[in-house]
Amino acid sequence: QLQLQESGPGLVKPSETLSLTCFVSGASITTIGDYWVWLRQPPGTGLEYIGSFYYNGATYYNPSLKSRVTISGDTSKNEFSLTLSPVTATDTAVYYCARGKGAVGGAGWFDPWGQGTLVTVSS
Amino acid sequence: QSALAQPASVSGSPGQSITISCFGTSSDVGNYNVVSWYQQFPGKAPKLIIYEVTKRPSGVSNRFSGSKSGNTASLTISGLQAEDEADYYCSSYAGSFNLVVFGGGTKLTVL
Repeated sequence: QLQLQESGPGLVKPSETLSLTCFVSGASITTIGDYWVWLRQPPGTGLEYIGSFYYNGATYYNPSLKSRVTISGDTSKNEFSLTLSPVTATDTAVYYCARGKGAVGGAGWFDPWGQGTLVTVSS
Repeated sequence: QSALAQPASVSGSPGQSITISCFGTSSDVGNYNVVSWYQQFPGKAPKLIIYEVTKRPSGVSNRFSGSKSGNTASLTISGLQAEDEADYYCSSYAGSFNLVVFGGGTKLTVL
């Protein structure tokens, strides 16, 4: 059964770098057709696609975040990572990793999702 | 402001059917049959319940169904149950530049 688990600091200072990792179990991140996706949800609001990683090294980013985001994968550890820099208070959100399928960048649908991790940007 | 528009809330009584609409444009919902729906309980991660407009993942109740007409997608829940009370989000593929857009979410209350 495919499962994803986010990990990383829960508190980041403004202007610094947010770094999260998603460990994947039950499937390989080198599976053709599977994209490895980061999404977020600010408190009390809706969902936002951040970007994705594909096994061949291709990456896809939300145009509104592209200048600040890097997503990478480590096939030896079967995990993928997100860095966002610099951060502001508006980046405070629950960050989710998920498997994406069905379209370029895995932007068709997302299933399953990790449990999510709250990252607060505050000094 | 979300790219796809959903009603903020809907409600229904047990046993009834409700429909949640998701209003997009010809650049997303209207141009691609890649609309999905997610169910989210408080404090939990979203769960995929509909993909490619009408398809249900294994294990999802057949009380959930999806459809699309023009730039509007819809989620229908029939035989409403108390356990269906949750937030529901739609999303649509939006092309190789914007990739994906989400709705702002709809809170379903079972009366």
